[in-house]
Amino acid sequence: EPEVTQTPSHQVTQMGQEVILRCVPISNHLYFYWYRQILGQKVEFLVSFYNNEISEKSEIFDDQFSVERPDGSNFTLKIRSTKLEDSAMYFCASSEVRLAGVETQYFGPGTRLLVL
Amino acid sequence: RKEVEQDPGPFNVPEGATVAFNCTYSNSASQSFFWYRQDCRKEPKLLMSVYSSGNEDGRFTAQLNRASQYISLLIRDSKLSDSATYLCVVVDSNYQLIWGAGTKLIIKP
Repeated sequence: EPEVTQTPSHQVTQMGQEVILRCVPISNHLYFYWYRQILGQKVEFLVSFYNNEISEKSEIFDDQFSVERPDGSNFTLKIRSTKLEDSAMYFCASSEVRLAGVETQYFGPGTRLLVL
Repeated sequence: RKEVEQDPGPFNVPEGATVAFNCTYSNSASQSFFWYRQDCRKEPKLLMSVYSSGNEDGRFTAQLNRASQYISLLIRDSKLSDSATYLCVVVDSNYQLIWGAGTKLIIKP
């Protein structure tokens, strides 16, 4: 069964450093998403991406964040200058179609980011 | 008022029992509704969609009450492997997934 993969599984970084989280969505999917989940808290939407551009983003997704699809398979989330409060699990998801009904978003296993 | 609200639990339930939990949402224009399950430190996985007429998938039954703005999940004949956090997800008019904080379920032998 096809699945979303994410690397690295864990990332430790110093405050102020840049990190890039990588995702390989399911190959025939067209919509890509990033979510984060701070430990013990709810999942929060960050951004959705379609046709090589951002389609929606949340208030959390400020100027320190950016997303890119550098090639035909990878989808990346860059955090330019990490803050302590960026420590969280970051989930990538992809879906075949726009979520307007019962289409499923498939989630990757997540990258646990720890900012020291 | 939170957009999507769930009782955090934990619900401690003996194996074989029936358990139900609700989720309330604040936006009456919400489009679609889902239950996801999340095991500790794992990614959310879709459990089932929630249809207006209610739907059943094996031991799981989901219902939607638009008038009162809540959805429910019923688990019959609970199994140890049902232990997880159950996340209520509401899709708003911008197609964004709005997540509840989850209800923790512990099934005891």
